[in-house]
Amino acid sequence: GDSVTQMEGPVTLSEEAFLTINCTYTATGYPSLFWYVQYPGEGLQLLLKATKADDKGSNKGFEATYRKETTSFHLEKGSVQVSDSAVYFCALKKRNSGYALNFGKGTSLLVTP
Amino acid sequence: EAGVVQSPRYKIIEKKQPVAFWCNPISGHNTLYWYLQNLGQGPELLIRYENEEAVDDSQLPKDRFSAERLKGVDSTLKIQPAELGDSAVYLCASSSGGGGPQETQYFGPGTRLLVL
Repeated sequence: GDSVTQMEGPVTLSEEAFLTINCTYTATGYPSLFWYVQYPGEGLQLLLKATKADDKGSNKGFEATYRKETTSFHLEKGSVQVSDSAVYFCALKKRNSGYALNFGKGTSLLVTP
Repeated sequence: EAGVVQSPRYKIIEKKQPVAFWCNPISGHNTLYWYLQNLGQGPELLIRYENEEAVDDSQLPKDRFSAERLKGVDSTLKIQPAELGDSAVYLCASSSGGGGPQETQYFGPGTRLLVL
């Protein structure tokens, strides 16, 4: 079945460090891919998305590129801030069939001053 | 624009007691989802509504869980009786529907349930 695999956390970085959170997927067809972020005590917020191969989603300095050849959608940010501390979830949704999001287990990020 | 509203935010009950969660989706969103998020895991779909119709409830444990969306707006998720393993966060999400690749689901803050 469809699934998403994320790198294990927690990830601890110093402020202004470069961030990469790996995400790979298994799916038949061509899914849409999403990154959601969950700040402490809050619900999930959409961070960015990409709907076809080679698309790049970006928001708030975060980027992820849909790589069909490696079935990956890694999240990157050039310079993290303390306020980026949160749990990040990679998710997929099958194109035009099925509505539910398949989430990875989440990766906790802690950014220290 | 108001987001997805859920209540209560926290609930502590004893096992075998009933519990209910309420969700008010974003205005105009026809599709409503209930997800279950266990500690350290990603959310998993319990049930999806299109207007007032439950169109995907294959993951809902029907022996103890029930849901309704009367009038196609607010929704209630109920557990009766609750078990220790039901301790988790229950998330509600809504979308404008259509199911296309661009569709975005918007999540509420969740209800954190603790069963003692």
